[in-house]
Amino acid sequence: DTAVSQTPKYLVTQMGNDKSIKCEQNLGHDTMYWYKQDSKKFLKIMFSYNNKELIINETVPNRFSPKSPDKAHLNLHINSLELGDSAVYFCASSPGLTDTQYFGPGTRLTVL
Amino acid sequence: DAKTTQPNSMESNEEEPVHLPCNHSTISGTDYIHWYRQLPSQGPEYVIHGLTSNVNNRMASLAIAEDRKSSTLILHRATLRDAAVYYCILSGGSSNTGKLIFGQGTTLQVKP
Repeated sequence: DTAVSQTPKYLVTQMGNDKSIKCEQNLGHDTMYWYKQDSKKFLKIMFSYNNKELIINETVPNRFSPKSPDKAHLNLHINSLELGDSAVYFCASSPGLTDTQYFGPGTRLTVL
Repeated sequence: DAKTTQPNSMESNEEEPVHLPCNHSTISGTDYIHWYRQLPSQGPEYVIHGLTSNVNNRMASLAIAEDRKSSTLILHRATLRDAAVYYCILSGGSSNTGKLIFGQGTTLQVKP
């Protein structure tokens, strides 16, 4: 019955690798987001998609590429991973752009 | 983007009311005041939001100052499960992108 789910929960990888994090929501929402929470616990938005269209693209390195195959999914692909990419990544969804956001449990990425 | 200011931390005793303040002196007329909280090792969760009038829901109450430059989240009877980081966020406004800008929040400790 999980509303917003993410896989994997933990991801440990080497510098330079390419990895993906998947997000799925079963709430029927039109808008999905990716946030990054760094080691100092600050949460920052990275991307937002509304009806599969990119709405928000913050100053994120172009090694990060979101992909929305359909409204229920927003995946995050990261190329050439760097040490500084280590963080917890949260996916969220909302009915529309200005509505309450529902967050997933997070994916802890550790780059060695 | 309008900013909010919150105390870094607060303490409360279990079963007592807690008042979490937030200042937002640069709020615009169309900004909604949102509160989210993040329990340890979980994603943020919505608590409450309002525009001008005070709001109540099953989790909390939101008291908004008449000039809207400050607000207070009220937990009527704190429980140990309420120990979390509470974020006061302004959203909506003229940009209408749904972007949530998280500050450092207030870390609430609840003592038994």
